[in-house]
Amino acid sequence: GAVVSQHPSWVICKSGTSVKIECRSLDFQATTMFWYRQFPKQSLMLMATSNEGSKATYEQGVEKDKFLINHASLTLSTLTVTSAHPEDSSFYICSAKKPGQGATEAFFGQGTRLTVV
Amino acid sequence: AQTVTQSQPEMSVQEAETVTLSCTYDTSESDYYLFWYKQPPSRQMILVIRQEAYKQQNATENRFSVNFQKAAKSFSLKISDSQLGDAAMYFCAYRRGGGGSNYKLTFGKGTLLTVNP
Repeated sequence: GAVVSQHPSWVICKSGTSVKIECRSLDFQATTMFWYRQFPKQSLMLMATSNEGSKATYEQGVEKDKFLINHASLTLSTLTVTSAHPEDSSFYICSAKKPGQGATEAFFGQGTRLTVV
Repeated sequence: AQTVTQSQPEMSVQEAETVTLSCTYDTSESDYYLFWYKQPPSRQMILVIRQEAYKQQNATENRFSVNFQKAAKSFSLKISDSQLGDAAMYFCAYRRGGGGSNYKLTFGKGTLLTVNP
């Protein structure tokens, strides 16, 4: 199997606080993970590529100091939204790639709904 | 940069009928993969079908099949014998060939499919 789990599934935080979202590959080691953001009724947009043991690669227009990504182990990547504001409210989804070329696609977590009040 | 275009924001189909969702893409790469994902109200991303660009044969998964026209850069999804459970948002997605960070996806804007009983 290829199970990817995100935690929490939903979170509400106050404006100005930080919130951490975890993405775990439960039954495989993932050297590469991806973080996407999806605003209501819109498509998924890639935010960053997370590589184990190295700095994340951010897409153009994504603030790296606001969206901190840490991929400290082969099964865990975290996304921390710092000093969150209401405009950061969104659905955040991660995906993880299995090692090698056996799978043609990365596997998605179930997503995290962030609401900033 | 690669782009994916879904020109149908919404589609509807009668239960047991057939519906085709359209997708076009633009790339200068010769090695790539195309996908259709289903996103139900739970927002979990579910892989429906995949197509390797180097394969001429159209992919098929039970009631789901694609019409892959490489020269025209077209990748449509046909759903046969539509069921109420098929109702969801459908995203067409593209990724480059190769490993690592090439597993990141570029998504179209999505097509919301309604199935009428």
